[in-house]
Amino acid sequence: GAGVSQTPSNKVTEKGKYVELRCDPISGHTALYWYRQSLGQGPEFLIYFQGTGAADDSGLPNDRFFAVRPEGSVSTLKIQRTERGDSAVYLCASSLVGTTDTQYFGPGTRLTVL
Amino acid sequence: GEDVEQSLFLSVREGDSSVINCTYTDSSSTYLYWYKQEPGAGLQLLTYIFSNMDMKQDQRLTVLLNKKDKHLSLRIADTQTGDSAIYFCAEITDKLIFGTGTRLQVFP
Repeated sequence: GAGVSQTPSNKVTEKGKYVELRCDPISGHTALYWYRQSLGQGPEFLIYFQGTGAADDSGLPNDRFFAVRPEGSVSTLKIQRTERGDSAVYLCASSLVGTTDTQYFGPGTRLTVL
Repeated sequence: GEDVEQSLFLSVREGDSSVINCTYTDSSSTYLYWYKQEPGAGLQLLTYIFSNMDMKQDQRLTVLLNKKDKHLSLRIADTQTGDSAIYFCAEITDKLIFGTGTRLQVFP
């Protein structure tokens, strides 16, 4: 596709459940990023992949959050034992090579934890 | 530390100019960005400026950068109702740091 795509667009889950959020970056982009946007706030950095490896995961809030990008394209953000405070919009972005390149964002996944 | 600040709200009349301001703290930022977010949508890149520039114009958009004061502004000429959205400035060092966003409301 032409842009970054994310699935699902909406996810409602119960406290304590496990969720997976998927991101398809722009074809050919080697850098991929995850952000979390809480209501009324700007996006906050979670993790950055360069190819298959996590180059910077300093934004992950705790060990319940994990992300993978096994083939250097699609990425999955995984959240274990979800809490109500995890409710937010999770945004994915990609850029051509690295962090100095312009990042293009997907539409996001709205996660609601009941 | 890294911190990007914006005023929360701006209201303008259709046809007037809008000016959205932003201050940042990291002088090593290489690029500064403006993104637009409409309700329920992702972030749309509007424009960006390299840190060694002081102005960039792109159609109705003008970006001004005062590196000494770490102040960035976005001017939208002839503001239209379709410009109503939240505008985020962001600085890039080793990661992209966003401000809290300015909600622009355009009224007829």
